Amino acid sequence: TQLLEQSPQFLSIQEGENLTVYCNSSSVFSSLQWYRQEPGEGPVLLVTVVTGGEVKKLKRLTFQFGDARKDSSLHITAAQPGDTGLYLCAGRSYNTDKLIFGTGTRLQVFP
Amino acid sequence: GAGVSQTPSNKVTEKGKYVELRCDPISGHTALYWYRQSLGQGPEFLIYFQGTGAADDSGLPNDRFFAVRPEGSVSTLKIQRTERGDSAVYLCASSSTGLSPLHFGNGTRLTVT
Repeated sequence: TQLLEQSPQFLSIQEGENLTVYCNSSSVFSSLQWYRQEPGEGPVLLVTVVTGGEVKKLKRLTFQFGDARKDSSLHITAAQPGDTGLYLCAGRSYNTDKLIFGTGTRLQVFP
Repeated sequence: GAGVSQTPSNKVTEKGKYVELRCDPISGHTALYWYRQSLGQGPEFLIYFQGTGAADDSGLPNDRFFAVRPEGSVSTLKIQRTERGDSAVYLCASSSTGLSPLHFGNGTRLTVT
């Protein structure tokens, strides 16, 4: 069974702080995606990384895919209250192309 | 254009009853996924369709759960003899190919009393 563990599970910070969310697995994925989900809605895609070691930046968000394609990280610089939400990593299986989601990180940014 | 639509948005049923949850994907999307999500957790994979066929149904928890997509568009998730542990938000997503990003609906919140 493929399992994607995210840490931390909860994060509560003040506006302006930096943070990093980690996504780890013992399995290798063909690609990895990060989503953000708000209450009552479905997850919304933030980024897809496909190459081991790849780094992508989206404004204040930096995403990295591990060299071995088993792990990823999301770094947010100068967090804002609008960044509040549930952050989910998701790895795509080589075997069947199904997308497996991580355990989730709930971020709360206070003004 | 229209996004992924799930109906009903909320469903309350009694233990032991049968329920059907419907998903209307984005027009032209060949891949369709069903996930189950408990509060504050990541979505749990249930089943993935490519066209009309189930490409991977390894996430269905037991034989009470079944999903169909007879014409390669609308899909129905069927749960027989519901149990209180089935209570969750059921999410549907579609993508243009099996490798494209997923577009999610807002889910059906199922409560089994």
